[in-house]
Amino acid sequence: AQTVTQSQPEMSVQEAETVTLSCTYDTSESDYYLFWYKQPPSRQMILVIRQEAYKQQNATENRFSVNFQKAAKSFSLKISDSQLGDAAMYFCAYKGGGTSYGKLTFGQGTILTVHP
Amino acid sequence: DSGVTQTPKHLITATGQRVTLRCSPRSGDLSVYWYQQSLDQGLQFLIQYYNGEERAKGNILERFSAQQFPDLHSELNLSSLELGDSALYFCASRGPGGPSGELFFGEGSRLTVL
Repeated sequence: AQTVTQSQPEMSVQEAETVTLSCTYDTSESDYYLFWYKQPPSRQMILVIRQEAYKQQNATENRFSVNFQKAAKSFSLKISDSQLGDAAMYFCAYKGGGTSYGKLTFGQGTILTVHP
Repeated sequence: DSGVTQTPKHLITATGQRVTLRCSPRSGDLSVYWYQQSLDQGLQFLIQYYNGEERAKGNILERFSAQQFPDLHSELNLSSLELGDSALYFCASRGPGGPSGELFFGEGSRLTVL
């Protein structure tokens, strides 16, 4: 079974600075997808960024980028120019290909605090 | 707004009772996923339906059941409730894009069992 591990229960960053959230996963599949979701206090789960395992290029969405190391099974999220609105719980998630039917396996989450 | 609608937003009930949580997926989405979020278990996948048929089952208790109706809305039924069932229950639907299609989550139903 696939597992996703987020080793940082909490992180903090100063506004306008950069922070990196860590995620590792375990899988025997070669075809899969990785995601970072954000859960603000409103509790809605919002997709931040996604990465297809077959793509070597790291995904980027504005201030958010990932460092995808397939051999090391690592998928970290970098938030640049942090803003107060980035404060939230961040979840790393794995979705297998094939017969996984699209279900996501989530890590335990990292609470990000942004200080003004 | 994700387009996924969940009702009720909050629910307080007693042990032993039964509740039904409802989910309407985004227009056009055929897949519905149910997740449970609790402090000790994190986000756990419960069950998935696709166009009315059960497709995948996760850590769903036998006291829980779900179904997806012809109009594609889904209901999660929780019975013989225990204190440990208190959690946030999310519904999500999958957008286009095949296996990498994004999951769009509703705002969740907060269940408190007293």
